[in-house]
Amino acid sequence: DAGVTQSPTHLIKTRGQQVTLRCSPKSGHDTVSWYQQALGQGPQFIFQYYEEEERQRGNFPDRFSGHQFPNYSSELNVNALLLGDSALYLCASSPGPQAYNEQFFGPGTRLTVL
Amino acid sequence: DAKTTQPNSMESNEEEPVHLPCNHSTISGTDYIHWYRQLPSQGPEYVIHGLTSNVNNRMASLAIAEDRKSSTLILHRATLRDAAVYYCILRDSNDYKLSFGAGTTVTVRA
Repeated sequence: DAGVTQSPTHLIKTRGQQVTLRCSPKSGHDTVSWYQQALGQGPQFIFQYYEEEERQRGNFPDRFSGHQFPNYSSELNVNALLLGDSALYLCASSPGPQAYNEQFFGPGTRLTVL
Repeated sequence: DAKTTQPNSMESNEEEPVHLPCNHSTISGTDYIHWYRQLPSQGPEYVIHGLTSNVNNRMASLAIAEDRKSSTLILHRATLRDAAVYYCILRDSNDYKLSFGAGTTVTVRA
């Protein structure tokens, strides 16, 4: 059983560009959350998708947007990239959004903005 | 978000127990206590969670104080593979997100 998968593994972009990151949840999971982890810090919650809708959003600007597809996979889009967007982007899936469900994390996508 | 306080770092010897404390004095009655860990170059990994009673699983034990204002994650026999950053997180029953702090960096000596 494949766990959470993310693509690409690494990505290099320049300021002002746009990027799309992809996530496939663990089999049987219908909820996907995205996190940003800067170097040396804990992950910060971006947003969560359930039933193809954004259910909760963290303190991130509108440049960060997402989508969930009918097969529960998800995309994270970041527009007008800034140097400060350089980070590890983590996707996590769970069998529902409830607080008692554990979240399973993927290995992340390392984004470097030059 | 309810806050947690953890020591920045802890050291342990291999095959000895590790007790990781977490203070959460402002915890509410509907907050679950979650523990995750992050090994180097990997995404976070679920360890254990509880609400009021002590919990055990194959990875660890979670001891929750009677007033719920503190908890302790117990790794019964540390191995080199347990070297990681351990995060103690409070999660309200209506909250979808995990709010990570700085965590405790655990070093295991061979």
